[in-house]
Amino acid sequence: QVHLVESGGGAVQPGRSLRLSCAGSGFTFSSYGMHWVRQAPGKGLEWVALIWADGNSKIFADAVKGRFTISRDNSKSTLFLEMNSLRVEDTATYFCARVGVDIDVNSIDMWGLGTKVTVSS
Amino acid sequence: SYELTQPLSVSVAVGQTASIPCEGYKLGTKNVHWYQQKAGQAPLLVIYRDKNRPSGIPERFSGSNSGNTATLTISGVQGVDEAAYYCQVWDGKTVHHVFGPGTTVTV
Repeated sequence: QVHLVESGGGAVQPGRSLRLSCAGSGFTFSSYGMHWVRQAPGKGLEWVALIWADGNSKIFADAVKGRFTISRDNSKSTLFLEMNSLRVEDTATYFCARVGVDIDVNSIDMWGLGTKVTVSS
Repeated sequence: SYELTQPLSVSVAVGQTASIPCEGYKLGTKNVHWYQQKAGQAPLLVIYRDKNRPSGIPERFSGSNSGNTATLTISGVQGVDEAAYYCQVWDGKTVHHVFGPGTTVTV
């Protein structure tokens, strides 16, 4: 069965850094591009970043560009999100999600349960 | 940046039909995907590429897309369909994925 499990969330002060991880299982992780999508409390979904299957290409939402980095270790089926210079408005549940390669590469066909990040002084 | 708009909420009685619009400039030229998110859960893809259902999604879910509006239709709504629904597109111009603000369906 396909699983995505995020970890690394927590409470952090503004300006600090945090690293999120997402472990994939039940599928060939190295064959799929992966997203990070976030959801602020009581708000809608916001796309954050995408990394291609081979890790060579990455794109970011304007709100996080220059502060967040997405990476992956295909040997360990793990996705990462390095978040620097965190702001209060980065407070959200962060979901890792799989590119729907098998149906439409611009869709998302699998989501993790998310990990909560709270940025507060 | 490309923007999608959705109504905040839609109310529907059990057994009736719910229509959830998603509007954007020349949206009909893009592929629209729809996600269902129940309270406290991760999103679930219910429609991809305008009108296609992934495996396991009930037939009562359907979609269309033309002009500036895509529509998710839930026919014969059931109580389990109460959730937030988000449309999503890929904007090749900005090289960004974009979500609509979401519509809460109340049954």
